[in-house]
Amino acid sequence: EVKLVESGGGLVQPGGSLRLSCATSGFTFTDYYMSWVRQPPGKALEWLGFIRNKANGYTTEYSASVKGRFTISRDNSQSILYLQMNTLRAEDSATYYCARDISGSSTWYFDVWGAGTTVTVSS
Amino acid sequence: DIQMTQSPASLSASVGETVTITCGASENIYGALNWYQRKQGKSPQLLIYGATNLADGMSSRFSGSGSGRQYSLKISSLHPDDVATYYCQNVLITPWTFGGGTKLEIK
Repeated sequence: EVKLVESGGGLVQPGGSLRLSCATSGFTFTDYYMSWVRQPPGKALEWLGFIRNKANGYTTEYSASVKGRFTISRDNSQSILYLQMNTLRAEDSATYYCARDISGSSTWYFDVWGAGTTVTVSS
Repeated sequence: DIQMTQSPASLSASVGETVTITCGASENIYGALNWYQRKQGKSPQLLIYGATNLADGMSSRFSGSGSGRQYSLKISSLHPDDVATYYCQNVLITPWTFGGGTKLEIK
């Protein structure tokens, strides 16, 4: 069974940092792109970025809203995805999800999501 | 960025009815459109991918259609279990962008 389990959320002060983890199991981690998506309370889903698979060199891509502040990385030996978040702002308060990307020649989607971890940025 | 606009923002219908949710893109996305269902307290679940393809394990009462800039999600014979918020997603060009969501309730 494919499983994604996020952790690391919590309360952090504005300007602070936090690192989220996404422990994965049930699939060959290095074969897949992995994404981070967040949802602020009462707002829509927002894709933050992804990290490519082994075949594509584990490179990353980010949305403009987090580029330069957030970093996605992966520990392929332990099948864990990370999201390092720096210079946090109140508007970064959200539930953060990791998701597995399925990419094909003419399609792309998130087929498995974690349960999410909540980040609150407040003084 | 490609902007995704869903309507309506909320919807209330009776059991057994058929409802349609629409999603408009700010430019042609050539069918690169997914739908997700998010039930209260749960993470989103893939419903439709590539505009028309039903995800594994999802009910055939759900169907997707559309092309170019306009897409629709139809739910036939509404069940109480369909109560959820539905999101469309552009996957033509990064950043992948989502619609604002449609909250479906049962009358």
